[in-house]
Amino acid sequence: QKEVEQDPGPLSVPEGAIVSLNCTYSNSAFQYFMWYRQYSRKGPELLMYTYSSGNKEDGRFTAQVDKSSKYISLFIRDSQPSDSATYLCAMSARTGFQKLVFGTGTRLLVSP
Amino acid sequence: GAVVSQHPSRVICKSGTSVKIECRSLDFQATTMFWYRQFPKQSLMLMATSNEGSKATYEQGVEKDKFLINHASLTLSTLTVTSAHPEDSSFYICSARLLETQYFGPGTRLLVL
Repeated sequence: QKEVEQDPGPLSVPEGAIVSLNCTYSNSAFQYFMWYRQYSRKGPELLMYTYSSGNKEDGRFTAQVDKSSKYISLFIRDSQPSDSATYLCAMSARTGFQKLVFGTGTRLLVSP
Repeated sequence: GAVVSQHPSRVICKSGTSVKIECRSLDFQATTMFWYRQFPKQSLMLMATSNEGSKATYEQGVEKDKFLINHASLTLSTLTVTSAHPEDSSFYICSARLLETQYFGPGTRLLVL
């Protein structure tokens, strides 16, 4: 079993839809949770960063962490075609080198 | 803020030659940088962790003599692929640690002929 599980998709939605992206994990030591967006042939771009459980909102993006269920989510409101990309979840425990463990990424396609 | 650059963005080389890739943190100092490799439609695979002024820590299965990493300053880490082979062709991405997270460079696409 992988430490971090993420549905690879693709997830296809119409423009304006609310998108829900999720990851589950098995390591209860994880405390830092991140969502990255990666466009084709580009490096990942940090979207959201949360510590421990709870919600965090930034514009159209909301990140949720439920440590009791070992489940994290990223919601995108009013999705746009420019949101079409691969979304990677990543997480780490409080270690000295901050080694991130990534999900495989979910490919999102937003059609006009 | 938190910008990381990589150079070159693309490189084509002949089999047997060495290629150096630079990773720079432009607006912050990074004591720790990371090197990843990414195959098409796959997630990032951590190759090594680079700490300024000390030897890099390599992940299991990554040949340290083939992938030489140098972190000579707080803003620069380099990855040298030595005696490159076609199977080394991939997308190499670096990241730099700032507080509790990592910021990624745009990646370098390496093609070995």
